[in-house]
Amino acid sequence: QVQLQESGPGLVKPSQTLSLTCTVSGGSIKNGGYYWSWIRQHPGKGLEWIGYIFDSGSAFYNPSLKSRVSVSVDTSKNQFSLNLSSVAAADTAVYYCARVVLHRTSSVTFDSWGQGTLVTVSS
Amino acid sequence: SYELTQPLSVSVALGQTARITCGGNNIGGRNVHWYQQKPGQAPVVVIYRDTNRPSGIPERFSGSNSGNTATLTISRAQGGDEADYYCQVWDSSTYVEFGGGTKLTVL
Repeated sequence: QVQLQESGPGLVKPSQTLSLTCTVSGGSIKNGGYYWSWIRQHPGKGLEWIGYIFDSGSAFYNPSLKSRVSVSVDTSKNQFSLNLSSVAAADTAVYYCARVVLHRTSSVTFDSWGQGTLVTVSS
Repeated sequence: SYELTQPLSVSVALGQTARITCGGNNIGGRNVHWYQQKPGQAPVVVIYRDTNRPSGIPERFSGSNSGNTATLTISRAQGGDEADYYCQVWDSSTYVEFGGGTKLTVL
């Protein structure tokens, strides 16, 4: 059974770049046929999709965040990462990484999730 | 973007049937997925592609999707079903959209 674990700083200063890594165990990112995604949840709020990436490096982003977001993958380490630049207090959230199933019907499901990590943006 | 509308809260008596709706323009033409999120935990998919249950999800959970409304139905509701529930679809412009979430209370 695949497991995902987020890691990275819990505190980031405003205007800096938020960087998180998701380590995948119990399955290989490479040639697995899945996308790998980041999703966040502001305190007490709903889910917001950030972006996802295929093992080839092909990535797709939420248009509202696209100018600040980059998702990358390191298949040798079985990890994928999130960079969110120019952060502000509004980026304070729990950040989840998740595995994405791509259905033949051009739909996606997030079938496995990490436990989430709280990132606070504050000086 | 494609908007998904969920009620903020739904209440159900213990042992009764809860129905959580997800509204969207011609949502019946899209695949809808449903997630359950308990406090302090990551979401878990309970229904995918409108009506399919992942392994380990009780048969009490079912889904339907037609017209402008998708519905998650929880039969014989239990206290352990109390959670936030989110619907989700794929959109060709914005790729992934989540509904705002519905808090289910079991009385």
